[in-house]
This record gives sequence, C-alpha cells and structure tokens, in this order.
Amino acid sequence: ETGVTQSPTHLIKTRGQQVTLRCSSQSGHNTVSWYQQALGQGPQFIFQYYREEENGRGNFPPRFSGLQFPNYSSELNVNALELDDSALYLCASSLAPGQRYNEQFFGPGTRLTVL
Amino acid sequence: AQTVTQSQPEMSVQEAETVTLSCTYDTSESNYYLFWYKQPPSRQMILVIRQEAYKQQNATENRFSVNFQKAAKSFSLKISDSQLGDTAMYFCAFGGANSKLTFGKGITLSVRP
Repeated sequence: ETGVTQSPTHLIKTRGQQVTLRCSSQSGHNTVSWYQQALGQGPQFIFQYYREEENGRGNFPPRFSGLQFPNYSSELNVNALELDDSALYLCASSLAPGQRYNEQFFGPGTRLTVL
Repeated sequence: AQTVTQSQPEMSVQEAETVTLSCTYDTSESNYYLFWYKQPPSRQMILVIRQEAYKQQNATENRFSVNFQKAAKSFSLKISDSQLGDTAMYFCAFGGANSKLTFGKGITLSVRP
C-alpha cells in the first residue's frame, strides 16, 4: 500500500505566474483535500475533491482551482500568484465523505515560495 | 463553522517529564472527532491521537493521552516521559462532516535534554 505523495517538493515562482501542484492519493482512497499552511500557522482548508467534483471549499479566491482525475490523483492550480501565496501546500487523501469523519492521510507537502 | 484555539505558542519541557498542551474548540455539530497532529521539521503531518466526541472515555496511545471535556469544549494532550523526538509543532484539529479538518495555530514543543 503506497502512501500519499506530492510533487514537486519545492517550487519558486514570481508574482503573477501560475503554478500546478500534484498529489497522488493513498491506495483505496477516492477523496483528496488540499490545505495551505503559512509559516508558523496551522493548515487551512482550501477545497476537497470527490469523484472528480469539488466537494466543499474554504475561504480561498477563485484563482485557487483544482482537478481530480479518474485515478483519484489531484492537482491544485493557483493563478496570478501573490507574495502571500508562499506556503506549504498539503494534500490529504481519505475515503468517501459522509455523515461521519473519515481519517485523512497527509502527504509530505510542497513548499511554494513566491518572489 | 468550527473554530479551534491553541493559546500557547510554545512550551518547553525537560526530557522524561510530563507536559500538557491545551486546546479549546467551538462547534454546533454533535458528531465529530478531535485530533492532535505532530509536525516535525520534516513537515510530515503525523496523527498522534484522536478522540470521538460520542465516547466519554479519554483516548490513550502509549505515552500520549487526552483530557476531553465535551461540555467545556476542551481537548488537551498530555505527553508523559517526554523524549527528544517529541520536539515538534503540535496541532489540535477538529474533524466533522465532509472530512474537512479545522486546525488550531499550533504550539511549538521543545524537549530539553
């Protein structure tokens, strides 16, 4: 059983550019959630994907978008990068969302630096 | 909406001693989970312990235990026999419907040799 993987590990971009981060979910999981963790802060929920559809979104602008593929892997896209987008981006996979919480398994994260 | 509050930004403890990390939360949900996650400098978020809200018994995992006070919406983590490898950031988190996690700001724990 493989765990959650993310790529790339580190990324440096400049303001105004666009970036794509990737996540492969743990075997058997069909739900992926993305979190943004600013330096010294707790992770904040960006959005969740289930069956290739967005299933819940946090307080993030539309320039943060995502995709989920038939194999349940996922991408996070950020357009028009701003300095405040510099953060660790964490991906977590889980079983299908429902009325009860399903445990999330986190990847190692992608460190994005915007200059 | 849920909120999770960790008011202590950092703590320090001597190796082999016991330390308690505090957390309070607010929610209108009745069916939820509470978690403590550890994040070492490697950045990997590691689940330390979890508590199901409908269970009155406090969860325990080896040296880690919680004090869950549902009416007070308090969820503290006790680490016994602290080890150098316990040095990390610790996050309290709330998990409800839709499997979304709400995290506190975290606390930096340093274990002194």
